[in-house]
Amino acid sequence: ETGVTQTPRHLVMGMTNKKSLKCEQHLGHNAMYWYKQSAKKPLELMFVYNFKEQTENNSVPSRFSPECPNSSHLFLHLHTLQPEDSALYLCASSQVRTGGGYTFGSGTRLTVV
Amino acid sequence: GENVEQHPSTLSVQEGDSAVIKCTYSDSASNYFPWYKQELGKRPQLIIDIRSNVGEKKDQRIAVTLNKTAKHFSLHITETQPEDSAVYFCAASMGVGEDDMRFGAGTRLTVKP
Repeated sequence: ETGVTQTPRHLVMGMTNKKSLKCEQHLGHNAMYWYKQSAKKPLELMFVYNFKEQTENNSVPSRFSPECPNSSHLFLHLHTLQPEDSALYLCASSQVRTGGGYTFGSGTRLTVV
Repeated sequence: GENVEQHPSTLSVQEGDSAVIKCTYSDSASNYFPWYKQELGKRPQLIIDIRSNVGEKKDQRIAVTLNKTAKHFSLHITETQPEDSAVYFCAASMGVGEDDMRFGAGTRLTVKP
């Protein structure tokens, strides 16, 4: 396993549903990220958490709600999504100021119907 | 903030030929430049990186060059093989692991056998 685990791997949801994506990192990193990957924008940064504190919200619609209860876990809560939100959602982690680059999870392939 | 531009968006080469992907960045304070490879259906993975105190770094068939004055860096793949086919992303940040990393738009490399 990569050290960054994302669940579920695939998710199909209706526009009125509420679901959550989960990310867990086992690397002892102190920063975690959500990215959206689609054909239009290959790696679009959504949220940044540094030591559990949100340090960046990249103009993401409020129908996406992140949660970072501790340095190892990151959630993305989804509600009333639109079909254009269908994409691959990637989680990543890094150790700020030390260590290597970002480590990515395998992603959650989300389809909104 | 940092802005990273990447060219070309697609690149097709014959097996055995060389491939070059170029990136430019805007923030002169950036000093860490990683490259990620994403194979179809898989997560992005770090393949090589370079820091601003070095002008070139090589790892077997891949090399990265950095021109800090011109604010551009390049990925060079020699003796390409079909398994090199993937999307390659460049990135720039203030330091290793820093939470400000910004990615280029990606280059889809196809190596024809």
